[in-house]
Amino acid sequence: AQKITQTQPGMFVQEKEAVTLDCTYDTSDPSYGLFWYKQPSSGEMIFLIYQGSYDQQNATEGRYSLNFQKARKSANLVISASQLGDSAMYFCAMRDSKYGNKLVFGAGTILRVKS
Amino acid sequence: DAGVIQSPRHEVTEMGQEVTLRCKPISGHDYLFWYRQTMMRGLELLIYFNNNVPIDDSGMPEDRFSAKMPNASFSTLKIQPSEPRDSAVYFCASSLIGREYEQYFGPGTRLTVT
Repeated sequence: AQKITQTQPGMFVQEKEAVTLDCTYDTSDPSYGLFWYKQPSSGEMIFLIYQGSYDQQNATEGRYSLNFQKARKSANLVISASQLGDSAMYFCAMRDSKYGNKLVFGAGTILRVKS
Repeated sequence: DAGVIQSPRHEVTEMGQEVTLRCKPISGHDYLFWYRQTMMRGLELLIYFNNNVPIDDSGMPEDRFSAKMPNASFSTLKIQPSEPRDSAVYFCASSLIGREYEQYFGPGTRLTVT
C-alpha cells in the first residue's frame, strides 16, 4: 500500500534562509513519482516539482529542489532564500504504477516565513 | 491561457438538497481528477477520467456521489442528497497524457451543507 508521511505539522523560517520540508514514502513498486504541491491561504493547489524514481539527478525548479534519497525513501523539499510569499501549506504526494495516475497526498506541512 | 475552471466557487445548501459541482479542464488535457479536501481526511482522490471515461471511482464515498464527463471540456460531480459531512473543498484537476505527474488544479469549490 502507498503511504506518504509528513512529520512536521508546522515550520517557521526566517526570510532569506533555506528550509527543508520532510517527506517519507512507502511503496513496493520500483516505478513511482513524487510530487510537491503548495497551497496558499487562497486555497488553490500549485504544482511545484516532480521526481521520478528512475531519475538519476535530484529535481530542481528555481528556488525549489527535491532531496531524493531512494534508499531512505525520503523526498524532502528544499526551498532556498525563503520569501514571505512562500508561507503556505505544502503537500508531498506520490504516484506509483500499481495505482495508475492516483496521487496519494501526505497530511501537509504549514510553513510560515518570518520577516 | 485559462487554467482549470470550477464553478461555483462557493456553495451553501441545506441537507437533503442536490448539489452539482462543475469543472472545465485545461484544453487538450486527457485526464481529469476530482479531489475532496477536509481537515480530518486531508486530500482524497474521488474519481478520475481518461478521455472522458471513468477509470477509477474507488474513492467515491457512497452512492450519493456521482461524476460524469460528457465531453472533453466538461465534468460534473453531483451529490444527491447532500449531508453536512459532505462539507469540504472539492478540487478538479487535469493533466496531459505522458505528463500525468503534472496535475493542474482548479481553484476549488467550497461546499457547506447545513
